[in-house]
Amino acid sequence: ETGVTQSPTHLIKTRGQQVTLRCSSQSGHNTVSWYQQALGQGPQFIFQYYREEENGRGNFPPRFSGLQFPNYSSELNVNALELDDSALYLCASSELARETQYFGPGTRLLVL
Amino acid sequence: QQQVKQSPQSLIVQKGGIPIINCAYENTAFDYFPWYQQFPGKGPALLIAIRPDVSEKKEGRFTISFNKSAKQFSLHIMDSQPGDSATYFCAASGAGGYQKVTFGTGTKLQVIP
Repeated sequence: ETGVTQSPTHLIKTRGQQVTLRCSSQSGHNTVSWYQQALGQGPQFIFQYYREEENGRGNFPPRFSGLQFPNYSSELNVNALELDDSALYLCASSELARETQYFGPGTRLLVL
Repeated sequence: QQQVKQSPQSLIVQKGGIPIINCAYENTAFDYFPWYQQFPGKGPALLIAIRPDVSEKKEGRFTISFNKSAKQFSLHIMDSQPGDSATYFCAASGAGGYQKVTFGTGTKLQVIP
């Protein structure tokens, strides 16, 4: 069991809107990473947060932003939604000094 | 340099068979290689992982073989069962605080009873 939870499970938005996805990390984990998984593909790294600061970023535009809170939970915000943003968004938590990341069940976002 | 190549894209085996999934990488900075199993509608779950100083690792019916010089690694599933039907991803990451995991493209495995 991973202990990582995400909300909501599903979401439908229209192009141009903004969305906020939420993640609660596994107990004891201080690092949260976000991934985008398009249908039939592997997850792509968006960014990682440690101690409330962005600790690394993948090849995603600035309209993808995030937050980490003192309790290590996290949010992913996407502005000006595009059709190609439709995907499963995964949150993974870990301890900074350890490589293993534990994934939540994901939020499936559909942009119409 | 960050890419992880995975093959085959899909695989069908009969129950009891030994499916083999292969992966290759280029970035020698990678030093941790996990495999994830993902069922439809679920997030990836860690299956087994290996470091490059080990040539083989077994956990239950799952075995990773690692060839550091060739920069290749593979997953073998012994005595495969219908419940193993899922998508499998190889992945790689570097040590340290920046824990970006680079995933392969996935292999959809179907185990036929």
